[in-house]
Amino acid sequence: AQSVTQLGSHVSVSEGALVLLRCNYSSSVPPYLFWYVQYPNQGLQLLLKYTTGATLVKGINGFEAEFKKSETSFHLTKPSAHMSDAAEYFCAVSDGGGADGLTFGKGTHLIIQP
Amino acid sequence: GAVVSQHPSRVICKSGTSVKIECRSLDFQATTMFWYRQFPKQSLMLMATSNEGSKATYEQGVEKDKFLINHASLTLSTLTVTSAHPEDSSFYICSVGGHTGTGSISNQPQHFGDGTRLSIL
Repeated sequence: AQSVTQLGSHVSVSEGALVLLRCNYSSSVPPYLFWYVQYPNQGLQLLLKYTTGATLVKGINGFEAEFKKSETSFHLTKPSAHMSDAAEYFCAVSDGGGADGLTFGKGTHLIIQP
Repeated sequence: GAVVSQHPSRVICKSGTSVKIECRSLDFQATTMFWYRQFPKQSLMLMATSNEGSKATYEQGVEKDKFLINHASLTLSTLTVTSAHPEDSSFYICSVGGHTGTGSISNQPQHFGDGTRLSIL
């Protein structure tokens, strides 16, 4: 069985500061890992994904994440926060990429302080 | 990536009503679609996997007679909440991803619709 743990239900950073959202996973097979962003009353938008290959993955809007197998982690970072980054962020894992249903973490609400 | 259209975006109806939600893949032939449910300020939980031309696969604890799924074509899956009650009020989101009609692309991510806010009075 897979599971995803997102540390911190709420993270607050100042505009221009580093954003770090933590995600740890468990999976019995090499995982496919995803970060999604959700704005209020909307669906999910894919930020980035890890399948195979390079462990540092770059996504949209300046976000990136690094897959660390030894730590079973896939933390999301952005060097400089922008007000428009305020949203809910979900880390998800799958055994079969997009072919299988995703297991989501509980989400982290990112707050950007002016 | 796939473009997914979900309709309606919001439904308010009386208890006992059945509600149908549509999920369309606009530019992608989807043999598989997924239905998720999200309670307020919580994460998404996979309800079922919708398979074109065959029965849906439901997750443990999801009532298949309550949540009817039909995937009659490669571009449309529907979720019908039958005899809805207030506890069925939630945000329902569909997604498309993974396989195409011509082969599997297992490393492709799922793309989500904008969700349907269902409120049962």
